[in-house]
Amino acid sequence: QVQLVQSGAEVKKPGASVKVSCRASGYTFTSYAMQWVRQAPGHRLDWMGWINAGNGNTKYSSKFHGRVTITRDTSASTAYMELSSLRSEDTAVYYCARGFTTVDNWGQGTLVTVSS
Amino acid sequence: QLVLTQSPSASASLGASVKLTCTLSSGHSTYAIAWHQQQPEKGPRYLMKVNSDGSHNKGDGIPDRFAGSSSGAERYLTISSLQSEDEADYYCQTWVTGTVIFGGGTKLTVL
Repeated sequence: QVQLVQSGAEVKKPGASVKVSCRASGYTFTSYAMQWVRQAPGHRLDWMGWINAGNGNTKYSSKFHGRVTITRDTSASTAYMELSSLRSEDTAVYYCARGFTTVDNWGQGTLVTVSS
Repeated sequence: QLVLTQSPSASASLGASVKLTCTLSSGHSTYAIAWHQQQPEKGPRYLMKVNSDGSHNKGDGIPDRFAGSSSGAERYLTISSLQSEDEADYYCQTWVTGTVIFGGGTKLTVL
């Protein structure tokens, strides 16, 4: 079955960067896009961007003003999301999710805490 | 700009049925949407995709108690025979010009 397994929780200082991984299995990795979505405590789901795992094309939400970079390693069936210039408001659970238009599988989430 | 609108909260009794609504903004009434469930302290789970004609495609293992339908710009999620584990946040989601959009979510309370 489809599985998306994310890396573990992170604690970062303001101004630092964080890189979260998402290892996919149970399907052909390059046939789908991988979305990244975050959820701050008590808040709604917030789309960050996606990568076409086949050709590497990306699109990002303008909300993050160039601070987010999504990459993938097809040999490892793994997608990565890096967020730079972290601030306290970036404290959230970060999810990867499979799909171009309809998101049909979710990772378990990675808690990123930004604190001095 | 495409916006998905959901009521912030809903409630229904154990064993009853409830119908949640996701409304597409003007000019986008033909768009399909997906429903996702997020139980307390858990990650989201895909429930189904609902098309403008009311047809729907459920995710693996989603019980028959969950059904989707459409009317105009509204997309619905009906949950029958409510169980305690159905108490959750429900989000609708769609896609336009390469951007994924989520509704604000509906918090369902099972009484």
